Amino acid sequence: TAGITQAPTSQILAAGRSMTLRCTQDMRHNAMYWYRQDLGLGLRLIHYSNTAGTTGKGEVPDGYSVSRANTDDFPLTLASAVPSQTSVYFCASRQTGPTDTQYFGPGTRLTVL
Amino acid sequence: GQNIDQPTEMTATEGAIVQINCTYQTSGFNGLFWYQQHAGEAPTFLSYNVLDGLEEKGRFSSFLSRSKGYSYLLLKELQMKDSASYLCAVLDSNYQLIWGAGTKLIIKP
Repeated sequence: TAGITQAPTSQILAAGRSMTLRCTQDMRHNAMYWYRQDLGLGLRLIHYSNTAGTTGKGEVPDGYSVSRANTDDFPLTLASAVPSQTSVYFCASRQTGPTDTQYFGPGTRLTVL
Repeated sequence: GQNIDQPTEMTATEGAIVQINCTYQTSGFNGLFWYQQHAGEAPTFLSYNVLDGLEEKGRFSSFLSRSKGYSYLLLKELQMKDSASYLCAVLDSNYQLIWGAGTKLIIKP
Protein backbone atom coordinates (compact mmCIF):
# COMPACT_ATOMS: atom_id res chain seq x y z
CA THR A 1 0.00 0.00 0.00
CA ALA A 2 1.42 3.38 -1.04
CA GLY A 3 -0.27 5.33 1.76
CA ILE A 4 0.39 9.00 1.14
CA THR A 5 2.56 10.28 -1.69
CA GLN A 6 3.84 13.82 -2.13
CA ALA A 7 5.46 15.50 -5.10
CA PRO A 8 7.93 16.93 -5.67
CA THR A 9 10.40 15.62 -3.08
CA SER A 10 12.22 18.92 -3.13
CA GLN A 11 12.10 22.16 -5.07
CA ILE A 12 13.96 25.44 -5.37
CA LEU A 13 11.62 28.25 -6.35
CA ALA A 14 12.22 31.88 -7.24
CA ALA A 15 10.35 34.41 -5.11
CA GLY A 16 7.16 35.58 -6.78
CA ARG A 17 6.62 32.36 -8.68
CA SER A 18 3.64 30.08 -8.04
CA MET A 19 3.79 26.41 -7.24
CA THR A 20 1.50 23.54 -6.36
CA LEU A 21 2.56 20.80 -3.98
CA ARG A 22 0.76 17.57 -4.68
CA CYS A 23 -0.59 15.08 -2.16
CA THR A 24 -2.42 11.84 -2.87
CA GLN A 25 -3.61 9.17 -0.45
CA ASP A 26 -4.97 5.72 -1.21
CA MET A 27 -6.36 4.89 2.23
CA ARG A 28 -9.80 6.49 1.62
CA HIS A 29 -9.36 8.72 4.67
CA ASN A 30 -11.90 11.50 4.94
CA ALA A 31 -9.67 14.10 6.56
CA MET A 32 -6.48 15.52 5.08
CA TYR A 33 -4.01 18.13 6.33
CA TRP A 34 -1.10 20.30 5.23
CA TYR A 35 1.60 21.20 7.74
CA ARG A 36 4.83 23.09 7.54
CA GLN A 37 7.71 22.19 9.80
CA ASP A 38 10.43 24.67 10.67
CA LEU A 39 13.34 24.13 13.01
CA GLY A 40 12.36 24.80 16.62
CA LEU A 41 8.71 25.48 15.79
CA GLY A 42 7.34 22.02 15.30
CA LEU A 43 4.46 21.20 12.98
CA ARG A 44 2.10 24.05 12.14
CA LEU A 45 -1.22 23.44 10.41
CA ILE A 46 -1.72 25.41 7.18
CA HIS A 47 -5.05 24.11 5.87
CA TYR A 48 -7.20 21.07 6.41
CA SER A 49 -10.13 19.27 4.85
CA ASN A 50 -12.54 17.15 6.89
CA THR A 51 -14.15 15.66 3.80
CA ALA A 52 -14.11 16.01 0.01
CA GLY A 53 -15.56 19.35 -1.05
CA THR A 54 -14.74 21.19 2.19
CA THR A 55 -11.62 22.98 3.42
CA GLY A 56 -10.66 25.02 6.45
CA LYS A 57 -7.87 27.34 7.60
CA GLY A 58 -5.30 26.24 10.11
CA GLU A 59 -2.83 28.18 12.20
CA VAL A 60 -0.76 29.68 9.33
CA PRO A 61 -2.95 29.86 6.18
CA ASP A 62 -1.75 33.17 4.68
CA GLY A 63 -0.11 32.81 1.27
CA TYR A 64 -1.49 29.30 0.72
CA SER A 65 -4.63 27.84 -0.80
CA VAL A 66 -6.01 24.32 -1.07
CA SER A 67 -8.76 22.42 -2.83
CA ARG A 68 -10.37 19.03 -2.24
CA ALA A 69 -12.16 17.95 -5.37
CA ASN A 70 -12.13 14.27 -4.40
CA THR A 71 -11.21 12.02 -1.47
CA ASP A 72 -7.72 11.14 -2.64
CA ASP A 73 -6.10 14.44 -3.64
CA PHE A 74 -5.32 17.53 -1.61
CA PRO A 75 -3.03 19.97 -3.47
CA LEU A 76 -1.45 22.98 -1.77
CA THR A 77 -0.80 26.10 -3.88
CA LEU A 78 1.54 28.98 -3.22
CA ALA A 79 0.27 31.80 -5.43
CA SER A 80 3.34 34.04 -5.11
CA ALA A 81 6.13 32.46 -3.10
CA VAL A 82 8.15 34.42 -0.54
CA PRO A 83 11.40 33.39 1.21
CA SER A 84 9.57 32.90 4.54
CA GLN A 85 7.76 29.99 2.91
CA THR A 86 11.00 28.05 2.81
CA SER A 87 10.16 24.98 4.87
CA VAL A 88 9.44 21.27 4.83
CA TYR A 89 5.81 20.59 3.95
CA PHE A 90 4.02 17.48 5.14
CA CYS A 91 0.67 16.23 3.97
CA ALA A 92 -1.26 13.97 6.33
CA SER A 93 -4.53 12.08 6.42
CA ARG A 94 -6.55 10.84 9.33
CA GLN A 95 -8.04 7.49 10.02
CA THR A 96 -11.37 8.26 11.66
CA GLY A 97 -12.21 5.96 14.52
CA PRO A 98 -11.26 5.41 18.15
CA THR A 99 -7.69 6.63 17.81
CA ASP A 100 -8.01 9.24 15.02
CA THR A 101 -4.40 8.53 14.05
CA GLN A 102 -2.84 10.82 11.46
CA TYR A 103 -0.54 9.35 8.84
CA PHE A 104 2.05 11.47 7.09
CA GLY A 105 3.47 11.65 3.60
CA PRO A 106 7.26 11.78 3.09
CA GLY A 107 7.36 15.57 2.82
CA THR A 108 8.40 18.20 0.29
CA ARG A 109 11.43 20.35 1.01
CA LEU A 110 10.83 23.79 -0.51
CA THR A 111 13.40 26.56 -0.79
CA VAL A 112 12.26 29.99 -1.94
CA LEU A 113 15.06 32.30 -3.06
CA GLY B 1 -4.42 29.81 24.24
CA GLN B 2 -3.37 26.28 23.51
CA ASN B 3 0.07 25.14 24.52
CA ILE B 4 2.12 21.95 24.53
CA ASP B 5 5.47 21.90 26.30
CA GLN B 6 8.22 19.32 26.02
CA PRO B 7 11.98 19.54 26.50
CA THR B 8 13.93 20.64 23.45
CA GLU B 9 16.67 18.05 23.72
CA MET B 10 17.66 15.06 25.86
CA THR B 11 20.69 12.80 25.91
CA ALA B 12 20.76 9.18 27.07
CA THR B 13 23.04 6.16 26.92
CA GLU B 14 22.51 3.06 24.84
CA GLY B 15 20.81 0.35 26.91
CA ALA B 16 19.43 2.82 29.45
CA ILE B 17 15.91 4.16 30.08
CA VAL B 18 14.70 7.66 29.24
CA GLN B 19 11.47 9.49 30.04
CA ILE B 20 10.27 12.33 27.82
CA ASN B 21 7.68 14.57 29.45
CA CYS B 22 4.88 16.54 27.86
CA THR B 23 2.52 19.01 29.51
CA TYR B 24 -0.45 20.51 27.76
CA GLN B 25 -3.12 23.18 28.04
CA THR B 26 -5.73 22.84 25.32
CA SER B 27 -9.36 23.69 24.61
CA GLY B 28 -10.81 20.27 25.20
CA PHE B 29 -9.14 16.89 25.11
CA ASN B 30 -9.84 13.92 22.88
CA GLY B 31 -6.60 12.05 23.28
CA LEU B 32 -2.83 12.46 23.28
CA PHE B 33 -0.45 11.10 20.67
CA TRP B 34 3.26 10.43 20.57
CA TYR B 35 5.04 10.36 17.23
CA GLN B 36 8.63 9.53 16.34
CA GLN B 37 10.45 11.48 13.65
CA HIS B 38 13.89 10.56 12.37
CA ALA B 39 15.91 13.34 10.78
CA GLY B 40 14.75 14.05 7.24
CA GLU B 41 11.76 11.76 7.51
CA ALA B 42 8.04 12.05 8.24
CA PRO B 43 6.58 11.57 11.73
CA THR B 44 5.35 8.05 12.45
CA PHE B 45 2.72 7.08 15.02
CA LEU B 46 3.93 5.58 18.30
CA SER B 47 1.09 5.69 20.81
CA TYR B 48 -2.30 7.05 21.75
CA ASN B 49 -3.72 7.68 25.23
CA VAL B 50 -7.20 8.89 26.00
CA LEU B 51 -7.69 7.41 29.49
CA ASP B 52 -5.45 7.89 32.51
CA GLY B 53 -2.77 5.32 33.01
CA LEU B 54 0.07 3.54 31.32
CA GLU B 55 -0.04 1.98 27.85
CA GLU B 56 2.81 -0.42 27.14
CA LYS B 57 3.94 -1.38 23.67
CA GLY B 58 7.19 -3.32 23.61
CA ARG B 59 10.11 -1.11 24.66
CA PHE B 60 7.92 1.99 24.56
CA SER B 61 5.30 3.00 27.12
CA SER B 62 3.14 6.11 27.33
CA PHE B 63 1.47 7.51 30.42
CA LEU B 64 -1.36 10.01 30.75
CA SER B 65 -2.80 12.05 33.63
CA ARG B 66 -5.67 14.17 32.36
CA SER B 67 -6.17 15.97 35.68
CA LYS B 68 -2.55 17.17 35.58
CA GLY B 69 -2.42 17.81 31.83
CA TYR B 70 0.64 15.59 31.70
CA SER B 71 2.01 12.71 29.70
CA TYR B 72 5.33 10.96 29.34
CA LEU B 73 6.90 8.59 26.87
CA LEU B 74 9.18 5.97 28.41
CA LEU B 75 11.78 4.29 26.24
CA LYS B 76 13.54 1.23 27.66
CA GLU B 77 16.66 -0.63 26.53
CA LEU B 78 17.65 2.26 24.34
CA GLN B 79 19.14 1.50 20.95
CA MET B 80 21.07 3.78 18.65
CA LYS B 81 18.16 3.71 16.20
CA ASP B 82 16.01 5.43 18.85
CA SER B 83 17.90 8.65 18.15
CA ALA B 84 15.10 10.82 16.78
CA SER B 85 12.72 13.59 17.67
CA TYR B 86 9.63 12.66 19.69
CA LEU B 87 6.53 14.74 19.13
CA CYS B 88 3.67 15.10 21.59
CA ALA B 89 0.27 16.12 20.18
CA VAL B 90 -3.18 16.63 21.71
CA LEU B 91 -6.48 16.19 19.88
CA ASP B 92 -8.56 19.18 20.95
CA SER B 93 -12.32 19.69 21.18
CA ASN B 94 -12.50 20.36 17.41
CA TYR B 95 -10.61 17.13 16.69
CA GLN B 96 -7.59 19.11 15.48
CA LEU B 97 -4.13 18.00 16.56
CA ILE B 98 -2.13 20.56 18.53
CA TRP B 99 1.59 19.77 18.28
CA GLY B 100 4.49 20.30 20.62
CA ALA B 101 7.80 21.42 19.11
CA GLY B 102 9.32 17.99 19.72
CA THR B 103 12.11 16.59 21.85
CA LYS B 104 15.34 15.64 20.12
CA LEU B 105 16.71 12.49 21.74
CA ILE B 106 20.42 11.82 21.35
CA ILE B 107 21.64 8.32 22.18
CA LYS B 108 25.30 7.88 23.05
CA PRO B 109 27.15 4.56 22.99
